[in-house]
Amino acid sequence: EDQVTQSPEALRLQEGESSSLNCSYTVSGLRGLFWYRQDPGKGPEFLFTLYSAGEEKEKERLKATLTKKESFLHITAPKPEDSATYLCAVQAVIQGAQKLVFGQGTRLTINP
Amino acid sequence: DAGVIQSPRHEVTEMGQEVTLRCKPISGHDYLFWYRQTMMRGLELLIYFNNNVPIDDSGMPEDRFSAKMPNASFSTLKIQPSEPRDSAVYFCASSLDRAHEQYFGPGTRLTVT
Repeated sequence: EDQVTQSPEALRLQEGESSSLNCSYTVSGLRGLFWYRQDPGKGPEFLFTLYSAGEEKEKERLKATLTKKESFLHITAPKPEDSATYLCAVQAVIQGAQKLVFGQGTRLTINP
Repeated sequence: DAGVIQSPRHEVTEMGQEVTLRCKPISGHDYLFWYRQTMMRGLELLIYFNNNVPIDDSGMPEDRFSAKMPNASFSTLKIQPSEPRDSAVYFCASSLDRAHEQYFGPGTRLTVT
């Protein structure tokens, strides 16, 4: 069964304490991997798209990387405003249809 | 562009009532998606359209749910009759094409009592 698993479910960090979020996937026919940020009461906000193993994308304190089986979202020297739920989604061909399958998310809290 | 627009933002209704959620996608986007988000199941794709035509509705839970896209700037998701288990946040998203990122609206929080 095609799956997207994110870990950890929740992560608390102190401001400035760097860490990484993981997204592992078991899908065939990968067409792309997407990272989104979701704040409470809002819709997911697009961050990055990765298409092939070895690819990396950066934006401010965030860097996303991709291997054949997983992706990491590295957060460097985070600030309290980086607190949010981070969602990983995989674009794959499932039962003949191209679909975006989301993981359950990692709830990140940055304490000042 | 104002982004994806959804209305209403909140809806509270009684079991058995009809509920209609509305969405205006980003202008120029050919794909429109309806998702449902719950704590238990996360974000689930319900249905998506390409150029106003429904392409995949395999995620629609049952016949009580229906979606339409009469033109490129408007779509509706209807639940009739509504049940308490339909309580969730419903998101609409749009994208340029299937391979590109999707842009989400602010969502409609539906509560069925």
